[in-house]
Amino acid sequence: EVQLVESGGGLVQPGGSLRLSCAAFGFTFSNYAMNWVRQAPGKGLEWVSVISGSDNSTYYADSVKGRFTISRDNSKNTLYLQMNSLRDEDTAVYYCAKDRWYFDLWGRGTLVTVSS
Amino acid sequence: EIVLTQSPGTLSLSPGERATLSCRASQSVSSSYLAWYQQKPGQAPRLLIYGASSRATGIPDRFSGSGSGTDFTLTISRLEPEDFAVYYCQQYGSSLITFGQGTRLESK
Repeated sequence: EVQLVESGGGLVQPGGSLRLSCAAFGFTFSNYAMNWVRQAPGKGLEWVSVISGSDNSTYYADSVKGRFTISRDNSKNTLYLQMNSLRDEDTAVYYCAKDRWYFDLWGRGTLVTVSS
Repeated sequence: EIVLTQSPGTLSLSPGERATLSCRASQSVSSSYLAWYQQKPGQAPRLLIYGASSRATGIPDRFSGSGSGTDFTLTISRLEPEDFAVYYCQQYGSSLITFGQGTRLESK
């Protein structure tokens, strides 16, 4: 079955770090760019970052640039998001989503709560 | 950054009626690189439309997209009970992807 499964969310204090993972199943992971998109409680969608499938080029939203790092391990069919210097406003459900421009496959999300 | 503004914020309609949702961009979206998503409570978004007017796999033909430049529209020709949800537009004409704030489609 074609699916994405996120993990790694949880409660973290402001200034802390967390690493999210997204495991991909049912498609050739290395052929596709992958994204992280987040949604704060009761709010809309915010694109966070993208990594290409081949040359590992990356882009970030201004709100996370310098604090978050996206990476991938094609041998493990897994996408990562390393989140450092976390702030209250980073509290959200984090989704991984497949493909470079529009997102035809999404995971169910993992909740990150930043609070003291 | 391209800002997308969706209207109305909330749309109240009955099953069987026609829904028209608007998405306006702060600058022209190149090559009509605009997508629409549907999101139901507790679920991930689902891709409906890409390239402004192409339906994604498995999307019923009551959903259609149109527009170009700065003005785009999602139309649902005859609402089914399962269509009541939040809808987001998204532009991918620049390396910094942005979403609209969403339109909530509720049952009257």
